[in-house]
Amino acid sequence: GENVEQHPSTLSVQEGDSAVIKCTYSDSASNYFPWYKQELGKGPQLIIDIRSNVGEKKDQRIAVTLNKTAKHFSLHITETQPEDSAVYFCAASSRNDMRFGAGTRLTVKP
Amino acid sequence: DTEVTQTPKHLVMGMTNKKSLKCEQHMGHRAMYWYKQKAKKPPELMFVYSYEKLSINESVPSRFSPECPNSSLLNLHLHALQPEDSALYLCASSLMLQGSGELFFGEGSRLTVL
Repeated sequence: GENVEQHPSTLSVQEGDSAVIKCTYSDSASNYFPWYKQELGKGPQLIIDIRSNVGEKKDQRIAVTLNKTAKHFSLHITETQPEDSAVYFCAASSRNDMRFGAGTRLTVKP
Repeated sequence: DTEVTQTPKHLVMGMTNKKSLKCEQHMGHRAMYWYKQKAKKPPELMFVYSYEKLSINESVPSRFSPECPNSSLLNLHLHALQPEDSALYLCASSLMLQGSGELFFGEGSRLTVL
């Protein structure tokens, strides 16, 4: 089955700086790569996703890149704000199997 | 309406109790999921329903019993739980079976087993 590794486990940045979270996956059949943000006391919420036929996708301050050859994908957040503080999960999904990374706790210091 | 609604938000039960968690969505999604999330861990898949039929059971102990009465509702019946079952239980839905699109999560039901 799929195995997803996520780094770092914690990340602290100053407001306005960029944050990068990296994930690797093992199953070459995986073709859908979502990123979820989970705030305290809430369920995970999709913030951006990418499919295997695309190398990069951007939505305002958030971007995701995918390298299928190397089996890794990354989340980039620019101009970070305190409200970006949360736990971020990457996931990799093939037909019927979505696996989450272990999560990254991002803290943005004002 | 893009919400998945879970009740109750908090539940405390003894090891001999029987209780149920409920989940509802009105987005016309045909796949619904139960996940278990322990503190500082990612969600772990428990059950998947597709078109109201149980599609995936991730070897979950029988003290957890899922039910999908219709395409909008998903229940998780709890009986004879152990303290280690204390966790956040998340319901999710997607248009079709996972792998092809976004999972919409509810806020979760925080379960404490005494």
